[in-house]
Amino acid sequence: SSELTQDPTVSVALGQTVGITCQGDSLRTYSASWYQQKPGQAPVLVIYYKTKRPSGIPDRFSGSSSGNTASLTITGAQAEDEAAYYCSSRDSSGDHLMFGGGTRLTVL
Amino acid sequence: QVQLQESGPGLVKPSQTLSLTCSVSGGSISSGGYYWTWIRQHPGKGLEWIGYIYHSGITYYNPSLKSRINISVDTSKNQISLNLSSVTAADTAVYYCARHRLSGYSDWFDPWGQGTLITVSS
Repeated sequence: SSELTQDPTVSVALGQTVGITCQGDSLRTYSASWYQQKPGQAPVLVIYYKTKRPSGIPDRFSGSSSGNTASLTITGAQAEDEAAYYCSSRDSSGDHLMFGGGTRLTVL
Repeated sequence: QVQLQESGPGLVKPSQTLSLTCSVSGGSISSGGYYWTWIRQHPGKGLEWIGYIYHSGITYYNPSLKSRINISVDTSKNQISLNLSSVTAADTAVYYCARHRLSGYSDWFDPWGQGTLITVSS
């Protein structure tokens, strides 16, 4: 199918580890990238090329992929990580891009 | 450091054509290696890919919007433009432009502009 599925909400206790997943058939072929968006701000790239972090992104953010699922892991979540997270990839045709519906992360 | 800045009318009447511009600074669009993408976000909703363009003029559009959109590039001004025709209230959104890198089977958008809110209303 040409869609990326994310859990709408996820919560994590301060300092704990949380995983955010993105599922889609196209992920068997195409890599996912991940974006963090805080209220009122533009999205920011946090993971690309499945596992790479842009400069300036803390190393507590990591990415992985297996089969039709891409994952974003935050190891030792901080209060400032509370945000919406979106995955993105190509659709199965390879011609078009798409985003997952987003996961709103709450840090308790 | 590349920066992108969207500009637009803010308010557009239904059935009219929305025109947006994305000005790129800190790097040249014509140097190649990157695509330039438009993305929108309806109020309180997720992100929607609109389409992208290469400096040569090659474009790819979201099939759901393809009949109404045109993305163009002006390398002399270092700008990307988006025209969206026959707008309705459903086109009310924050519109972002972003630099788009494609490598193998991977795409990513970085950086993004700050976004511009477009409201469709009479």
